[in-house]
Amino acid sequence: NAGVTQTPKFQVLKTGQSMTLQCAQDMNHNSMYWYRQDPGMGLRLIYYSASEGTTDKGEVPNGYNVSRLNKREFSLRLESAAPSQTSVYFCASSGRVDSEQFFGPGTRLTVL
Amino acid sequence: GIQVEQSPPDLILQEGANSTLRCNFSDSVNNLQWFHQNPWGQLINLFYIPSGTKQNGRLSATTVATERYSLLYISSSQTTDSGVYFCAVTQAAGNKLTFGGGTRVLVKP
Repeated sequence: NAGVTQTPKFQVLKTGQSMTLQCAQDMNHNSMYWYRQDPGMGLRLIYYSASEGTTDKGEVPNGYNVSRLNKREFSLRLESAAPSQTSVYFCASSGRVDSEQFFGPGTRLTVL
Repeated sequence: GIQVEQSPPDLILQEGANSTLRCNFSDSVNNLQWFHQNPWGQLINLFYIPSGTKQNGRLSATTVATERYSLLYISSSQTTDSGVYFCAVTQAAGNKLTFGGGTRVLVKP
């Protein structure tokens, strides 16, 4: 049981480049989430998927898109990266939207 | 939206000491979690505790939902307890965890 996995672990982009962060969970959870953590702060929700086939905006969605590929996988895409998107990105999953969430190891992204 | 405040912001402990971390929240919650973020950045689930008291080894937590606070107790602290402790809540019928600012703990040998 790997829990929640994320790829890549580290990434450096130039301003304007695009990339997709991948997340997968093997706990048969219905809900999945993407958060970002900026230095010295707690996490903020970018997008979430309450169940397969649905996605909704969180607190800080601008500049991002998501895809719930199937029940296991939820990807986050940056279409045109900006330095303000330099952050650590965490994926999480839960059985339902208000139950206990479990987090992946994070992706450290730097945009130059 | 709901506000989550943690205190103290920083805590320095001698190994073996006990401590209490506090989390106050401004509205009713369906879900309250405590996490430990270790020095490598990994978020580790400590407790899922929307109400009541739970214990896990040297750690315990109590949430008094009617008074809108939760406490995390660390007993006989060890250097491996160092890191940042986050409280996070989901409002009733909510859809996201709102995190507090964290308490940074350093346990000295």
